Amino acid sequence: LAKTTQPISMDSYEGQEVNITCSHNNIATNDYITWYQQFPSQGPRFIIQGYKTKVTNEVASLFIPADRKSSTLSLPRVSLSDTAVYYCLVGGRGATNKLIFGTGTLLAVQP
Amino acid sequence: EAQVTQNPRYLITVTGKKLTVTCSQNMNHEYMSWYRQDPGLGLRQIYYSMNVEVTDKGDVPEGYKVSRKEKRNFPLILESPSPNQTSLYFCASSLLGTGRAQETQYFGPGTRLLVL
Repeated sequence: LAKTTQPISMDSYEGQEVNITCSHNNIATNDYITWYQQFPSQGPRFIIQGYKTKVTNEVASLFIPADRKSSTLSLPRVSLSDTAVYYCLVGGRGATNKLIFGTGTLLAVQP
Repeated sequence: EAQVTQNPRYLITVTGKKLTVTCSQNMNHEYMSWYRQDPGLGLRQIYYSMNVEVTDKGDVPEGYKVSRKEKRNFPLILESPSPNQTSLYFCASSLLGTGRAQETQYFGPGTRLLVL
């Protein structure tokens, strides 16, 4: 599985757009990129997943450049309730069934 | 309601006293796994199971055991807990037994363990 690198923390204010970037230089051809959100005292939950270009759902957008060595999770107009840890996960039809979540990014949204 | 449940949610124990944390899912998922979460280290996989009677080590399996006798249950066993196993533990499951990252992982609420 490709190792991922994310910023440890980010700060933002309500109403702003937040972009969290994840680096995955060793991503394999069949790997997908998945983002999870974790609130304090809860288990992570799925936000969005993509393979290439751009994916958008009701919660976020995911931008993946052509070389796929990084990806950016975009949260439009964040609110206080978006304060959470965001994990980037990369993997696909590889040789292992292990899942490596990494350290995540703590997003703190202030009023 | 489709969910992953864990019990207990909180546990305080002493070094060397065997304990089991249960995990159960009602979604007929094939893949189940256990993670521990520690400050600054993120989520690390302990063990996973592709299906009944099929288990394998994750990144941090030392000091833990698991079993998968039924599809819905995947207990985590600490035969002789030590203080360095104090952590927040999560169980997760996904539909297909491929365990690939593109499958959505459904997480339980977590079990906070303190080993004195």
